[in-house]
Amino acid sequence: VQLVESGGALVQSGGSLRLSCVASGFDFDDHAMHWIRLGPGKGLEWVAGITWDNKKIDYADSVRGRFTISRDNAENSLHLQMNSLRIEDTASYFCARDIVPAAMTAFEMWGQGTMVVVSS
Amino acid sequence: ILLTQSPGTLSLFPGERATLSCRPSQRVDNRYLAWYQHKPGQAPRLLIYGSYTRATGVPDRFSGSASGTDFSLTISGLEPEDFAVYYCQQYDTSPSFGQGTKLEIK
Repeated sequence: VQLVESGGALVQSGGSLRLSCVASGFDFDDHAMHWIRLGPGKGLEWVAGITWDNKKIDYADSVRGRFTISRDNAENSLHLQMNSLRIEDTASYFCARDIVPAAMTAFEMWGQGTMVVVSS
Repeated sequence: ILLTQSPGTLSLFPGERATLSCRPSQRVDNRYLAWYQHKPGQAPRLLIYGSYTRATGVPDRFSGSASGTDFSLTISGLEPEDFAVYYCQQYDTSPSFGQGTKLEIK
């Protein structure tokens, strides 16, 4: 039972990046999913969430309009398309599983994270 | 909803009792508050959800409570592995975290 993120990299300000998270060992479509980040010297920040059926999608104000969350239940995967990246987006990005399928609640399982560094 | 955690840092000896607080900027339903533990280099761990319910595998020395508008996490009898950063999180509206309380060994 695990979540494995990938796609983190060093990118210039204004650039784009696509993060992925592959789930295994559980029924992926039984859970809403989220991206959460931890910036250097900062606390945890919820970034985006998506319900099992894509009917509810939500974003933090800090990324709304720049980031897009999506999922592929057939491939057990979660994605985060990040555009117009800013220096303040530098963080370790975690994929996390919600405790329920159809709402955004608590995060019961986390990946190890993938690092995104945005340079000027 | 902004969550303010206090204290910012808590220094205690192993065996002592720790009480961490979380105050929301507006009312949060008791059903929609969680607590997490985070150690450097590791994935965060869900401890408590619904203010009171321990997640699977969490020792019973961890307990959550709500009083009025405030929420608390209590760790009774600190073990060496409990020293970490703790976050509260609300999901009454779009999810948000507090800024964290660092629990350090005195």
